[in-house]
Amino acid sequence: GAGVSQSPSNKVTEKGKDVELRCDPISGHTALYWYRQSLGQGLEFLIYFQGNSAPDKSGLPSDRFSAERTGGSVSTLTIQRTQQEDSAVYLCASSLRAGGLNEQFFGPGTRLTVL
Amino acid sequence: SQQGEEDPQALSIQEGENATMNCSYKTSINNLQWYRQNSGRGLVHLILIRSNEREKHSGRLRVTLDTSKKSSSLLITASRAADTASYFCATRGNTPLVFGKGTRLSVIA
Repeated sequence: GAGVSQSPSNKVTEKGKDVELRCDPISGHTALYWYRQSLGQGLEFLIYFQGNSAPDKSGLPSDRFSAERTGGSVSTLTIQRTQQEDSAVYLCASSLRAGGLNEQFFGPGTRLTVL
Repeated sequence: SQQGEEDPQALSIQEGENATMNCSYKTSINNLQWYRQNSGRGLVHLILIRSNEREKHSGRLRVTLDTSKKSSSLLITASRAADTASYFCATRGNTPLVFGKGTRLSVIA
């Protein structure tokens, strides 16, 4: 497929459990972004990766959230000790480069529900 | 924190009518982008306008930008039922895109 893919599409977990969300960006895209969208809200920036540079983690809401990008491609967003307020759709996007003129291509998202 | 704020929050129009959505932001920007989201899932990029541009067209879309008022508008002409979606403005300054909460557009056939 040519687009950004995310897995799983839906995840239901119990409060206190850890979850991992995966993002496969478009091949050749050097920039990768994670956003969170709560019900009826806009997108909240979480973290972005650009090539081999240190990621911009300024949007991560707490130290329970972390992300890594292996080999400059696939990224995993990990939420430890999930809370009910973590319930949201987690969206991943990639762009050719991180520059502001580069269009971001979004995946379909992972809907996380914390019971 | 969210910088862009769309107005109105929701808009309902008849097919064939024009739809206008507005976006206001707070700090200086390099560019402003509009995205569409169907069914609360992935976003699709519609159009980008740079800070030194005032107006841009793409098909039935017309975007204006007024940096003195820190505002932008998205006009969809001759709307169709398929235009029903949420529309977000996103601003780009020195940080990655900052999205507003969106306008929910419903086009009634």
